[in-house]
Amino acid sequence: LAKTTQPISMDSYEGQEVNITCSHNNIATNDYITWYQQFPSQGPRFIIQGYKTKVTNEVASLFIPADRKSSTLSLPRVSLSDTAVYYCLVGDDGSGGYQKVTFGIGTKLQVIP
Amino acid sequence: DTGVSQNPRHKITKRGQNVTFRCDPISEHNRLYWYRQTLGQGPEFLTYFQNEAQLEKSRLLSDRFSAERPKGSFSTLEIQRTEQGDSAMYLCASSSAGLAGGPTKNIQYFGAGTRLSVL
Repeated sequence: LAKTTQPISMDSYEGQEVNITCSHNNIATNDYITWYQQFPSQGPRFIIQGYKTKVTNEVASLFIPADRKSSTLSLPRVSLSDTAVYYCLVGDDGSGGYQKVTFGIGTKLQVIP
Repeated sequence: DTGVSQNPRHKITKRGQNVTFRCDPISEHNRLYWYRQTLGQGPEFLTYFQNEAQLEKSRLLSDRFSAERPKGSFSTLEIQRTEQGDSAMYLCASSSAGLAGGPTKNIQYFGAGTRLSVL
């Protein structure tokens, strides 16, 4: 399993763009990069997933460089409700069989008014 | 709402008692996972089912823990002779096996969890 490294915490003011970078030097060819968001007393919630280049949805963007050894989750114009823990996970698409995913401690994002 | 449902949301028990939690996954999902999460940590994998078969168990899952998914639908997690160290949030997630390169790339959908407090 590819190990991931991300900052433990980040602070941002409301309205700013937040970029959280995750390192995954040992990512395998079949691995996808998936980000989850977790609020206190709730289960993690899927945000975005990508394989290479850029992926954008209504919530966030995910930037993946050509070597795929890192990825950056971008949250545009954050609000107080974006205060949460963000997890970066690496794993395959599961079609060939189950692969356990490993959550680290994540990045605790605190949005400041 | 057809998301993952967990019951109860909170459970307070005395040390030594047995507790059972239930998870109802998203109906078309054949994969089901249990995790444990303590304060300040990410979820830790406990066990995994594909349909009714329990295919993997973490070493965290001591012999006091047992999980079942009898008909490949809902699942239960039982903890016998609870200890104070069992106090945690127990999370259930489900996913579909998906097709290679398909849209559901091993994305897990989580329930809200059951918070266990052992006194």
